[in-house]
Order: sequence, then structure tokens, then C-alpha cells
Amino acid sequence: DGGITQSPKYLFRKEGQNVTLSCEQNLNHDAMYWYRQDPGQGLRLIYYSQIVNDFQKGDIAEGYSVSREKKESFPLTVTSAQKNPTAFYLCASSDSLRGNTEAFFGQGTRLTVV
Amino acid sequence: AQSVTQLDSQVPVFEEAPVELRCNYSSSVSVYLFWYVQYPNQGLQLLLKYLSGSTLVESINGFEAEFNKSQTSFHLRKPSVHISDTAEYFCAVSDDTGTASKLTFGTGTRLQVTL
Repeated sequence: DGGITQSPKYLFRKEGQNVTLSCEQNLNHDAMYWYRQDPGQGLRLIYYSQIVNDFQKGDIAEGYSVSREKKESFPLTVTSAQKNPTAFYLCASSDSLRGNTEAFFGQGTRLTVV
Repeated sequence: AQSVTQLDSQVPVFEEAPVELRCNYSSSVSVYLFWYVQYPNQGLQLLLKYLSGSTLVESINGFEAEFNKSQTSFHLRKPSVHISDTAEYFCAVSDDTGTASKLTFGTGTRLQVTL
């Protein structure tokens, strides 16, 4: 089955640690995205990538980093510089960055700082 | 810049009753509009979308939405809801300006269907 796989589903991080969230897609999509979801705030764009080895900051990129070394993979690192990292993180992909293209979402990773 | 407003954070409704989830957007250019549904601890699934053409769009599970350009709205409706419709619903907008177009989401409406 084609789709987007995010792992792990739950992740606990100590303050001051960096953690990496995995996102893999087998839809052969060019564009990939990371969103952060907080209660009552909807989804906010962290980073997006249109092509391998290229990515752009979204609205809330501070404290996060990404890489796009392979078309199917777009891992997100939450660094210690992110002041409030506890949230639900969603990875998505689409066939292109054109506005009329449907985005497909993974099942999410819930990150909790302990 | 574009934005989406979902005025109702929660909508309680009895099973088999009709429901309307409101969505208003602002944009200076032509837009594409989407409704996504999210079940607890899950990702988002596309429910329906307006790209062009007929302003009334329908989903396979009985939801419909109407694009109203003059009122900048894209309200979601269902004539008779089921318990299984309990979920959070997100309205989103995108356009084709520039080299990168990406979705802007509303804050979501939690639909709670009870017996």
C-alpha cells in the first residue's frame, strides 16, 4: 500500500536533547512538508521541500532542522533550541507544490518533553 | 497572505441531525479550498476540495461544501450525521502564487455527535 509512514508514534525527550522524527513516503511525491499541531491552533508549517537536497523554512522553523537526501525521506530534527517542543507533528507529501494538489498525511508523532 | 477562520471550535449535535461547520477565508488571489478530517491520534484525511468549476462539491460519505466567492466562505454541511462522524474538521486554503504554494489551515472544529 502506498502512503506516508511516520515513526515513532510516541516520543519522549529530556530537556536539552535533540530528537529526530522519521518520515518516509512511497507515493513518489516530489513535495514533502512538516507541520506542528497544537490544541486550538490548527496546523502550522515548519519546513517544506520541493526536491531532493532543497528545502525551505515555513512559518515556525526556529528550533527545527530538516534534510532531504532522498526523495522518499524527510526527517525532522527538533533541537534543544526549540523552547516548547511538546506537540503533535505531522508529515505530509504531495505530487507538487502547486496549490491545487492534494496533500497526503502520515499518522503523526506525538512528542513530549519530560 | 491568506488566512482561514473557523469560528466554531466545537459543535455538539445529536445523531441524525443536520450540521454545518463554518469556514471563511481571506486572500487577494484566486484560491483552492479543502476540508480535511482528523480522527483522534490520527493524521489528516482529505474530505473534499474545491479547485474550479461547480461551486458545490461532495464527499463520498455524505458531506458537501459550497464555495461562495462573494462571502469568501466554504461551509461544510451534512444533512444527517452519524456517530462515526465524530472528529476534528479542518478547513484549508492554498493558491498558485509564487514558486511555492502551501496549505494554510484554520484552527479546526471538533464535531461531537451523540445519541
